[in-house]
Amino acid sequence: GNSVTQMEGPVTLSEEAFLTINCTYTATGYPSLFWYVQYPGEGLQLLLKATKADDKGSNKGFEATYRKETTSFHLEKGSVQVSDSAVYFCALSFSGGYNKLIFGAGTRLAVHP
Amino acid sequence: KAGVTQTPRYLIKTRGQQVTLSCSPISGHRSVSWYQQTPGQGLQFLFEYFSETQRNKGNFPGRFSGRQFSNSRSEMNVSTLELGDSALYLCASSWGPEAGELFFGEGSRLTVL
Repeated sequence: GNSVTQMEGPVTLSEEAFLTINCTYTATGYPSLFWYVQYPGEGLQLLLKATKADDKGSNKGFEATYRKETTSFHLEKGSVQVSDSAVYFCALSFSGGYNKLIFGAGTRLAVHP
Repeated sequence: KAGVTQTPRYLIKTRGQQVTLSCSPISGHRSVSWYQQTPGQGLQFLFEYFSETQRNKGNFPGRFSGRQFSNSRSEMNVSTLELGDSALYLCASSWGPEAGELFFGEGSRLTVL
């Protein structure tokens, strides 16, 4: 079946460190891929997305590239801030799926000053 | 503009009872989706409504049901509550049937005793 696998957390970094959160997927077709973020006490927010192979999504300094050959969509940021501390979810959806998202387990990021 | 509003935010029920959760989408959004979030299973899709029609349903028992009204507001109902139904129930809205970006509410946290 279709699924998303994320690296386990928590990920603990110092401010200004480089961030990578790995995400791989298993899908029978060609899904759209998303990263959502959940800040403490808030609802999930879309961080970035990519709808086809080799697309790069970017927002707020975060980037992720849709790699069909490795079925991956790793999230990266060059210099994290304390305010980036949150839980990050990788997700996929299919055209015709009517806004149904399949989420990974989530990766908690803690950034210390 | 106002975000997705879910009520109630917190509730406690006992086994065997039923519960109704409400979701008001962002103005103009016609698609409403529901997700269950638990520490063990993560985020799981429950169902999605567009223009009062359920278009997609996740793998949950029939105790879980929902509906959407003509003003796009949605409710979900869980009957005969079980301990395992304790979870954060998230509602998400989108402007169209395949919008690709969901806007989530803060959720309704249900505790079943």
